[in-house]
Amino acid sequence: DQQVKQNSPSLSVQEGRISILNCDYTNSMFDYFLWYKKYPAEGPTFLISISSIKDKNEDGRFTVFLNKSAKHLSLHIVPSQPGDSAVYFCAASGPWGGATNKLIFGTGTLLAVQP
Amino acid sequence: DTGVSQNPRHKITKRGQNVTFRCDPISEHNRLYWYRQTLGQGPEFLTYFQNEAQLEKSRLLSDRFSAERPKGSFSTLEIQRTEQGDSAMYLCASSLGLAGVGTGELFFGEGSRLTVL
Repeated sequence: DQQVKQNSPSLSVQEGRISILNCDYTNSMFDYFLWYKKYPAEGPTFLISISSIKDKNEDGRFTVFLNKSAKHLSLHIVPSQPGDSAVYFCAASGPWGGATNKLIFGTGTLLAVQP
Repeated sequence: DTGVSQNPRHKITKRGQNVTFRCDPISEHNRLYWYRQTLGQGPEFLTYFQNEAQLEKSRLLSDRFSAERPKGSFSTLEIQRTEQGDSAMYLCASSLGLAGVGTGELFFGEGSRLTVL
């Protein structure tokens, strides 16, 4: 079953505007949430994360919001730049019991920022 | 370059052949992961090592797949009797801490693309 879902396969935004990427999850036991960015022919690279005890984390142009009651998180990019064009993956981790230790990824959203 | 290194970057093989991929993690990272990514999907977890111990395996890892991490450094992923359904990008990642916690972000390599004809 898909525990982390990104229902929008693609998003197109004008340069300078806000990009909002959404992610839903089903497992209320997840402790940490992360966003990764992936360019073609490269591995995913870490962008920003948030602990389940917080509802917001900001890093420069990137802000992640977490709504635990709705099991929903979003990534805001302001202002969007053409170099932000990539596939964005939402990922979740936890709880850790025994040997379990991994990230579970969503299917990704392709962001295209138009100049 | 001190990132995660994977070889080969691309492997084309015929169905039924065996293939092996190698991953060299970031040197100080004791945790290593293998993921598989197919078109239109996110990375899917295959297996996890802490040092040389393989602690977790996904149900996706059939008995044709075997992964090792001798001496807790580099790792290999071998696929025996390849099938067309094995065609995918195989990603290796390493981390210092628990996945996602504090410094536990996963650092990914560029991946090894497998094409089974």
